[in-house]
Amino acid sequence: DMKVTQMPRYLIKRMGENVLLECGQDMSHETMYWYRQDPGLGLQLIYISYDVDSNSEGDIPKGYRVSRKKREHFSLILDSAKTNQTSVYFCASSYRNQNTLYFGAGTRLSVL
Amino acid sequence: QQQVRQSPQSLTVWEGETAILNCSYEDSTFNYFPWYQQFPGEGPALLISIRSVSDKKEDGRFTIFFNKREKKLSLHITDSQPGDSATYFCAASNTNTGKLTFGDGTVLTVKP
Repeated sequence: DMKVTQMPRYLIKRMGENVLLECGQDMSHETMYWYRQDPGLGLQLIYISYDVDSNSEGDIPKGYRVSRKKREHFSLILDSAKTNQTSVYFCASSYRNQNTLYFGAGTRLSVL
Repeated sequence: QQQVRQSPQSLTVWEGETAILNCSYEDSTFNYFPWYQQFPGEGPALLISIRSVSDKKEDGRFTIFFNKREKKLSLHITDSQPGDSATYFCAASNTNTGKLTFGDGTVLTVKP
């Protein structure tokens, strides 16, 4: 069963707290992504990971960092969260030489 | 400068009508154009895609028309059904980079 799993689904944090969003996939995909989705703004790429410890900035990396120590697992970290990081975060994965992205169900983060 | 633009922002059609969703792009190196469908509370899922070597791609009730010269494409949904009500994202990439750039989406409502 091909699946991208995101945890947690909902998260409320206070400004200045650290945030860890986790993503797992069971398809052995080499490439994984983190996007954020804001109303009316579509999906914006935060980071892309081509494999373990091979990460690259996307279009809006400021304020975020990532970690990929296993192929099936990709984490997004917000150090000292800000209120403007309130958003829905989507993780996705794909095979290296294919363009079809498989998305998780998202994590809705509120930073108060 | 927004790389991928979609119009209209929202569209309402009656059941059985054809819905036409428009997309344009800036980067002439883009050569892969997927459309993703997203239902509330879920992640986007690939609906249909086209490569720049083609000018038309059909899959059931869904058809992409692509005009490379004008950097425009459109998604036609014939015989629209209430179950087609969703947000549709046009995206574009250069297959060498694997980085997908998304438009802001069109919210489609199909009234019974």
